[in-house]
Amino acid sequence: GNSVTQMEGPVTLSEEAFLTINCTYTATGYPSLFWYVQYPGEGLQLLLKATKADDKGSNKGFEATYRKETTSFHLEKGSVQVSDSAVYFCALTDSNYQLIWGAGTKLIIKP
Amino acid sequence: DTGVSQDPRHKITKRGQNVTFRCDPISEHNRLYWYRQTLGQGPEFLTYFQNEAQLEKSRLLSDRFSAERPKGSFSTLEIQRTEQGDSAMYLCASSLGQGYYEQYFGPGTRLTVT
Repeated sequence: GNSVTQMEGPVTLSEEAFLTINCTYTATGYPSLFWYVQYPGEGLQLLLKATKADDKGSNKGFEATYRKETTSFHLEKGSVQVSDSAVYFCALTDSNYQLIWGAGTKLIIKP
Repeated sequence: DTGVSQDPRHKITKRGQNVTFRCDPISEHNRLYWYRQTLGQGPEFLTYFQNEAQLEKSRLLSDRFSAERPKGSFSTLEIQRTEQGDSAMYLCASSLGQGYYEQYFGPGTRLTVT
């Protein structure tokens, strides 16, 4: 079946460091891929998405590229800020447009 | 529009009691989803509605769980005879139309069963 695996957290970085959160997936067909973010005390928000191979999603300085050959959708940011501290979820849609989620990665940015 | 709202935000109940949660989606959205999220895990799909029709239910949704969406507007999720294993965050999301549209999430209802 379809599944998403993302790196375990917490990931702790200093402000202005480079961020990578790994995400790999298993899916039949051609899923769309997503990163959602959950800030403390808030609901899940879509951060970025990519709908086909080689697409790059980007938002708020974050980027992720849909790599079909490696079944990956790693999240990157060149210079993180304290305000980026949150839990990040990688997800895909199956053929019924249901979201299949990874377990989430907690990111802690220290000033 | 104020987004998706859920009520209550927190619920503490004793094992065996019934609880009901409410979700108000974004007004023009005709798809509404319920998820359950436990600590350290991603959300798990429970069920979804297209307007008032409940189109799919997960195998996770035991017969103690029931969801409704009368008139295709707000939705309720009821859990009967709660068990400690039901303790989780219950998330509601809505989206516009068929096919893939972004799902907008509410803040969730945290259920604690003692």
